[in-house]
Amino acid sequence: DTAVSQTPKYLVTQMGNDKSIKCEQNLGHDTMYWYKQDSKKFLKIMFSYNNKELIINETVPNRFSPKSPDKAHLNLHINSLELGDSAVYFCASSRSGTAINEKLFFGSGTQLSVL
Amino acid sequence: RKEVEQDPGPFNVPEGATVAFNCTYSNSASQSFFWYRQDCRKEPKLLMSVYSSGNEDGRFTAQLNRASQYISLLIRDSKLSDSATYLCVVNGDGGFKTIFGAGTRLFVKA
Repeated sequence: DTAVSQTPKYLVTQMGNDKSIKCEQNLGHDTMYWYKQDSKKFLKIMFSYNNKELIINETVPNRFSPKSPDKAHLNLHINSLELGDSAVYFCASSRSGTAINEKLFFGSGTQLSVL
Repeated sequence: RKEVEQDPGPFNVPEGATVAFNCTYSNSASQSFFWYRQDCRKEPKLLMSVYSSGNEDGRFTAQLNRASQYISLLIRDSKLSDSATYLCVVNGDGGFKTIFGAGTRLFVKA
């Protein structure tokens, strides 16, 4: 079984549309994250959630709304998509967010292309 | 200043070469340090954690210098399969915020 799974793998859409990316982890981890990797391959944290509670929002526009119905799921909804939103979005999880040497487990990524 | 800075690369080396990557971080309160590897169009995967005393895993050696806020990765006897992007990663002082460097691209050629 895949530890961190996100869907869809590819998402092509028009500017102005609203879309969602789903993420689920079956590792029993408490903390989940969304990262964005842009065309320059820079991987930047967007959000982190711990036990369904938002812990970090890295000045992401409010068009991006994460939702965590339970600690195993962290979905990302994006309203009014813009060209600059085109990127690869990675979901990740860790056992906790504060333990020393806590490693991240990543999903395989969602390639979002906004036309 | 970026929170985590790495050698820009790319590094082009022949098989069997030894190659070293460097990384600096800005937050002196950082607690955890890692090297991740990312293959083209794939997700990042943990290569190794970095400990204050330095640590080795086969052909890979990682070093941490807290005083200089500097992390390094040494790869000995490079293999073609080592070709990838190597990401220096630091966990921030408050937890929940793992910061990635921009990555260093390595190409190992036959």
